[in-house]
Amino acid sequence: NAGVTQTPKFQVLKTGQSMTLQCAQDMNHNSMYWYRQDPGMGLRLIYYSASEGTTDKGEVPNGYNVSRLNKREFSLRLESAAPSQTSVYFCASSELSSGGRETQYFGPGTRLLVL
Amino acid sequence: GEDVEQSLFLSVREGDSSVINCTYTDSSSTYLYWYKQEPGAGLQLLTYIFSNMDMKQDQRLTVLLNKKDKHLSLRIADTQTGDSAIYFCAVVSGGYNKLIFGAGTRLAVHP
Repeated sequence: NAGVTQTPKFQVLKTGQSMTLQCAQDMNHNSMYWYRQDPGMGLRLIYYSASEGTTDKGEVPNGYNVSRLNKREFSLRLESAAPSQTSVYFCASSELSSGGRETQYFGPGTRLLVL
Repeated sequence: GEDVEQSLFLSVREGDSSVINCTYTDSSSTYLYWYKQEPGAGLQLLTYIFSNMDMKQDQRLTVLLNKKDKHLSLRIADTQTGDSAIYFCAVVSGGYNKLIFGAGTRLAVHP
């Protein structure tokens, strides 16, 4: 049981290049999330997917697209990278208990540097 | 919108208690959460409190909730070097229905 996995672990891009960050979970969770983490700003939600086939914008969606390929996989694409997108990106999935308690499980993160 | 605030840094001596504070502007949370992030890793759920409780104790961890003041705190008793990490509080936004995280408090434990 690997939990939430992310690839790549580290990436350097030039301004204007594109790339896709991959995320997969093996916990059969319906909900998946993409966050970015910047110093002093905590985690900000980029996009989320409440279930297979649905995606919704989060707090900071501009410059990103997502794809919920199936229940396991949720990818994040940067079409034209900008230096402002230099960050650490975390994928998460969550389960909701019958009492309404949500537990999010995070991947190890992808460190992205845009030059 | 929802705002969750934490102080960014706390330094304590090994063996002392640590208290990490969090304030929020609005919440529809049934539960409020504390997550821990160790260096180079993702976040892990550390503990949580049900919104109709004032206090929850879990081994060395004590969570206090003051709903009137919208204040959440995490106390770590007998703090150890292994507790050095970033601690995030998280609440469900009233209008957004998604978890909002604070900026995180970096806890440094020194001998």
